[in-house]
Order: sequence, then C-alpha cells, then structure tokens
Amino acid sequence: KQEVTQIPAALSVPEGENLVLNCSFTDSAIYNLQWFRQDPGKGLTSLLLIQSSQREQTSGRLNASLDKSSGRSTLYIAASQPGDSATYLCAPNNNAGNMLTFGGGTRLMVKP
Amino acid sequence: NAGVTQTPKFQVLKTGQSMTLQCAQDMNHNSMYWYRQDPGMGLRLIYYSASEGTTDKGEVPNGYNVSRLNKREFSLRLESAAPSQTSVYFCASGYNLGTEQFFGPGTRLTVL
Repeated sequence: KQEVTQIPAALSVPEGENLVLNCSFTDSAIYNLQWFRQDPGKGLTSLLLIQSSQREQTSGRLNASLDKSSGRSTLYIAASQPGDSATYLCAPNNNAGNMLTFGGGTRLMVKP
Repeated sequence: NAGVTQTPKFQVLKTGQSMTLQCAQDMNHNSMYWYRQDPGMGLRLIYYSASEGTTDKGEVPNGYNVSRLNKREFSLRLESAAPSQTSVYFCASGYNLGTEQFFGPGTRLTVL
C-alpha cells in the first residue's frame, strides 16, 4: 500500500524567502504525481502535475521535481508571499492512474 | 465555467438517516471521484467513475453507494449514516483516469 510522507508538517517563513517542501512515497510504480494547495475550509487547488517520465515541471514561481526511483518529489516556491500561506499536499497516482494517495500536507505560513 | 460544484455545503444527520451528496462538473470530463478528508488520515478515495456508466470502489467504499447519473453528475449516497462518516467530502473530476484532477469546494457532514 502506498504511503506518502510530507516534511516538514508545518513551516513559518518571512516574506521573500525561497523554500522547499518535501514529499516521499513508498511505492515508486506511479503514473504521475500532483501537487495541490488547500486554504482553510476550502477545496483543493491543483498546482502542478508531473508525469512519471518527467524530472521537473514549472508554473510561475513554483517548480516541482520528481525522482521516481527514490520515491521523492519536492515543491520549490520562489520569493514567497503572504498569499502563499496554505496547506500544500502531494499525491502520487498509482500505476493504473485511478487512485491518488495523499500525504498529510505541509502547513505553510508566510509572514509579511 | 463553474468547474466542480457540490451540494449541500453543510449537513447534519442523525445516526441511521440517509442522504445523497450531489456533484456536477461542466468541464466535459470523463472521470469523476469521491474523497473524504479526516484529521490525521488525509484524503482517501471512496469511489470513482472512469467514464459514464462505470463505477469502481476506492480505498474506503464501505457504507457508501454511488451513481454516475450522466457525464456531468456523480452522486454519493449514505444509506444509513454512522458517526464514523462524519467528515468533509470532496468530489473531483479529470479528463480521463490519470489526468489532472480538479476538486469541488466540499461538503462538511456531521453525523450525530
């Protein structure tokens, strides 16, 4: 059974810092991996989807990397802003592409 | 486009009552999903529908039934609600299995 761990569980940084969120998963036989953000009391917003054959995917200030063989993905946020404050979730999709398994998330606070 | 919509937003039930959670998407997606989110457990897949006319069990299907009414709509039914089903329920959709998933705003359900 896939298990997903996200470190750190919580992070507080001053505005402007570059930061890295880590995600590890136990089963490397994945179809792809998706990163989401979740604001309190809200649904999930898709940030990036990285295919199993890709090493990196970029969207604006966000960059996700994937090392499938070692079961790791990182989300890099450049020049953090208070509006980036949210919980960030990673979710690898199994080989059949029919089940996302979610980590517990990293709760990020960016202080002005 | 509204994306993925869910009704109701909040619901309180007594043990043994039944209810149906509604989900609709206007993105012409083939695949739809139901998840539940619990503190300390993360998000877990309940059921999914790869395409109109098909449904399959996810990780935690016991106590639930689903109906893929048409391409747009996917409902989740609790026949006899139990306190263990107190949770936040999210519907999601994607163009096909294995593609990027988009989430609705969620339904917060309390079973007393």
